[in-house]
Amino acid sequence: SQTIHQWPATLVQPVGSPLSLECTVEGTSNPNLYWYRQAAGRGLQLLFYSVGIGQISSEVPQNLSASRPQDRQFILSSKKLLLSDSGFYLCAWSFGGSGANVLTFGAGSRLTVL
Amino acid sequence: EDKVVQSPLSLVVHEGDTVTLNCSYEVTNFRSLLWYKQEKKAPTFLFMLTSSGIEKKSGRLSSILDKKELFSILNITATQTGDSAIYLCAPSGYGGATNKLIFGTGTLLAVQP
Repeated sequence: SQTIHQWPATLVQPVGSPLSLECTVEGTSNPNLYWYRQAAGRGLQLLFYSVGIGQISSEVPQNLSASRPQDRQFILSSKKLLLSDSGFYLCAWSFGGSGANVLTFGAGSRLTVL
Repeated sequence: EDKVVQSPLSLVVHEGDTVTLNCSYEVTNFRSLLWYKQEKKAPTFLFMLTSSGIEKKSGRLSSILDKKELFSILNITATQTGDSAIYLCAPSGYGGATNKLIFGTGTLLAVQP
């Protein structure tokens, strides 16, 4: 069976510091990978998705970037955090391809920027 | 622009009540609509709906999709305190290389004993 791991679970960082959140998936190959952010308003906003190694699509302009150095690894980064980057970040995976796929989420990373 | 509107935003009921949660959407290249339940952390999958008028059921939860009117409802009968959560509606549209889920802001359900 497939599992998704995301870390760290919580993070408190000062403004201007770098960020790295990591997500890995086990038990499948060539998954689609996604980063979502959930702010206080509860909606999930899609930040990035990837359909393969090195292939990153950005949904909204922002202070963040994503990378996929390996098939089942997805990393969310920032060089300099802003206060507005605070939120709950969720990594998700689905089976590859363009069929109607269910997203399975990791446990999330709560980021507080002070 | 893709849009998802869920109503009500929040709801307080007593155990045993029946609730109906609503989701209307406008999504380019619509493929399916998914419902998720979010308690404290990660959303967990409830249903995926692809065809109009076919009810999906799991225990006390059921859901149906109307692709003509662009909405879906999630029903919960005989609610329990464990049903307290945020319920998220997420239509899926094909854009670029894959399908993408567009999430609504959710309905916060509180079930009181």
